[in-house]
Amino acid sequence: GNSVTQMEGPVTLSEEAFLTINCTYTATGYPSLFWYVQYPGEGLQLLLKATKADDKGSNKGFEATYRKETTSFHLEKGSVQVSDSAVYFCALKNTGANNLFFGTGTRLTVIP
Amino acid sequence: ETGVTQTPRHLVMGMTNKKSLKCEQHLGHNAMYWYKQSAKKPLELMFVYNFKEQTENNSVPSRFSPECPNSSHLFLHLHTLQPEDSALYLCASSQVRSSGEITDTQYFGPGTRLTVL
Repeated sequence: GNSVTQMEGPVTLSEEAFLTINCTYTATGYPSLFWYVQYPGEGLQLLLKATKADDKGSNKGFEATYRKETTSFHLEKGSVQVSDSAVYFCALKNTGANNLFFGTGTRLTVIP
Repeated sequence: ETGVTQTPRHLVMGMTNKKSLKCEQHLGHNAMYWYKQSAKKPLELMFVYNFKEQTENNSVPSRFSPECPNSSHLFLHLHTLQPEDSALYLCASSQVRSSGEITDTQYFGPGTRLTVL
C-alpha cells in the first residue's frame, strides 16, 4: 500500500539553526512527493515537490531530494526563521491516483 | 475572493443537530476534496469529486453526506455526529488535465473546526 512516515514532533529550534525533518514513504508505484506547510489558522500550502528519483524540490530556502534507494524525502533548511514556525506535512501521490497520502505532520517552533 | 474559502470557520453542534459545511473555490478547478484532520493522525481523505461526480468515498460513515452542485462549490452535510467526529475539516481543489487525470498540486482552504458535544 501507500503510506508516509515522518518524524514525530514537536521540533523546537533557535533562529538561524539548521532544520531537518525526516520523511520516508512506501508506495506501490513511482509516486510524486510533496512537502506541504500549514501556518497557524490557515489551510495547507504546497511548499515544494519532486516528481522523480534524484529530483530536488526547493522553495523559500527549503530543500528536499527524492531518494528512491532509501525511499526518503527529508526536508532541510540551512537557517530557520521565526516565521517558519508551522506544521509540515510530507505527502505522496501515485501517477493516475486521485488523492494524496499524508504523514501525521511535524510541528516546528522557531524561537528568537 | 481568492483561493479556497470555507464557512463556517468554527462550528459547535450537538449529536442530534443537522449542519452543513461549505467550501468554495475561485481557481477554476474541476476536482474538489474533503479531508478530516485529527490530532496526531495523518490527514484522512473522505471524498473526491471530479467534474461534480464523486470518484472516491473512503468508507466514510453515512452521517457525513457530501454534495457538489457545481465545480466551484462543495458541501458536507452533517447529521447525528459523534464526539469522535470532532476535528478540523479541510476542503481542497485541484485542476484536471484534458486526459481526465487530476494534477498533483492541491489547494487547501483554512478549514472548519468542528466540535461535537
